[in-house]
Amino acid sequence: AQKVTQAQTEISVVEKEDVTLDCVYETRDTTYYLFWYKQPPSGELVFLIRRNSFDEQNEISGRYSWNFQKSTSSFNFTITASQVVDSAVYFCALSSGGSQGNLIFGKGTKLSVKP
Amino acid sequence: DAGVIQSPRHEVTEMGQEVTLRCKPISGHNSLFWYRQTMMRGLELLIYFNNNVPIDDSGMPEDRFSAKMPNASFSTLKIQPSEPRDSAVYFCASRQGVLAKNIQYFGAGTRLSVL
Repeated sequence: AQKVTQAQTEISVVEKEDVTLDCVYETRDTTYYLFWYKQPPSGELVFLIRRNSFDEQNEISGRYSWNFQKSTSSFNFTITASQVVDSAVYFCALSSGGSQGNLIFGKGTKLSVKP
Repeated sequence: DAGVIQSPRHEVTEMGQEVTLRCKPISGHNSLFWYRQTMMRGLELLIYFNNNVPIDDSGMPEDRFSAKMPNASFSTLKIQPSEPRDSAVYFCASRQGVLAKNIQYFGAGTRLSVL
């Protein structure tokens, strides 16, 4: 069975703090894909990043960085120098390479960044 | 380019009424997904289509729910009769190609309230 766990339900930080959102996944497939989506207060789901199971390189995009570790089945997301606009619910999701694959979502982490 | 377009954005109806949600996928995308988001269950897949053909409808809660994709540029999700427990945000997403690695892009969602 495939599963995504985001253990942090809510996180609150003060602006300019760094924050890491945890994501742990379960799958028996050797080929799979991991995604992060952002859901701001306006409600839409915005794609942030995709990673495949064969590429464990960390990725940085501006203030955002992602740490993928197969050994711990984790795909964590760090926001550096957080800003109020980062306040949103962040979802981690898994798609199996062995099928035509829908997304399995975690329950999400609500991030509140206070000024 | 236009993204995934959903209508209506908000729907308020009374128990027992028929509700139809609409989705226009991104032009050229082969796969279309319907998700439901609730506080209790998070984001869950209802049904998805590849090349207008329903592939997996195991997430459709019961016979009151039906979905169609008559052509590549339009899909509907119908609930008849609606019940208060159907209140949720319904998202449509589309994807280019049928592979699990491809990114799903989401519409803004339809917030349904059944009184």
